Amino acid sequence: AQKITQTQPGMFVQEKEAVTLDCTYDTSDPSYGLFWYKQPSSGEMIFLIYQGSYDQQNATEGRYSLNFQKARKSANLVISASQLGDSAMYFCAMREAVTGGGNKLTFGTGTQLKVEL
Amino acid sequence: GAVVSQHPSRVICKSGTSVKIECRSLDFQATTMFWYRQFPKQSLMLMATSNEGSKATYEQGVEKDKFLINHASLTLSTLTVTSAHPEDSSFYICSARGRQGAGNQPQHFGDGTRLSIL
Repeated sequence: AQKITQTQPGMFVQEKEAVTLDCTYDTSDPSYGLFWYKQPSSGEMIFLIYQGSYDQQNATEGRYSLNFQKARKSANLVISASQLGDSAMYFCAMREAVTGGGNKLTFGTGTQLKVEL
Repeated sequence: GAVVSQHPSRVICKSGTSVKIECRSLDFQATTMFWYRQFPKQSLMLMATSNEGSKATYEQGVEKDKFLINHASLTLSTLTVTSAHPEDSSFYICSARGRQGAGNQPQHFGDGTRLSIL
């Protein structure tokens, strides 16, 4: 079963509008972390925002905020005031513990965001 | 901020060649490094986790003898694709993380290596 699900292969938004990128996850571990990364066409992975499973408040970083709904197991990314430079692939990822210690990230399939004039 | 350097950024070589990719953490000690593979328009798939001074832990389905990983120091991990074939052509990207206890620390990614085997 998929652990991280991003149901929107592609999204379009007009410049200066807000957009929400969906992410749902599945885990039985009470301690986990959720990350969002941006990947422009050049390929590098840019860390955007983090939400811990025990965090009481939704994470915010500038124009990025994370709508964390623990009971629904969703961690949607909200980008406010979209800019042309926001056009990229966005990945949701979950950190979970692995057997023997340590942890790893599991990535969703990504959402391609296109910001239009 | 933390910087991870990955070299080379692009490799084109003949079938049967072995290719080495380097991943360096420039301003922090990376106790753990990760190697991912990404096919066009697809997600990142974890290949292996590399801890400094110990053998890498490979994900299911990843050939250990094909993808050799060495993490000899706290700032350098290498991935060697041995006897590469066209099906090995892909985007390979590494990431590094500092202290393991800091669970909210993000993995910092290199810029990736586009490998094309002719």
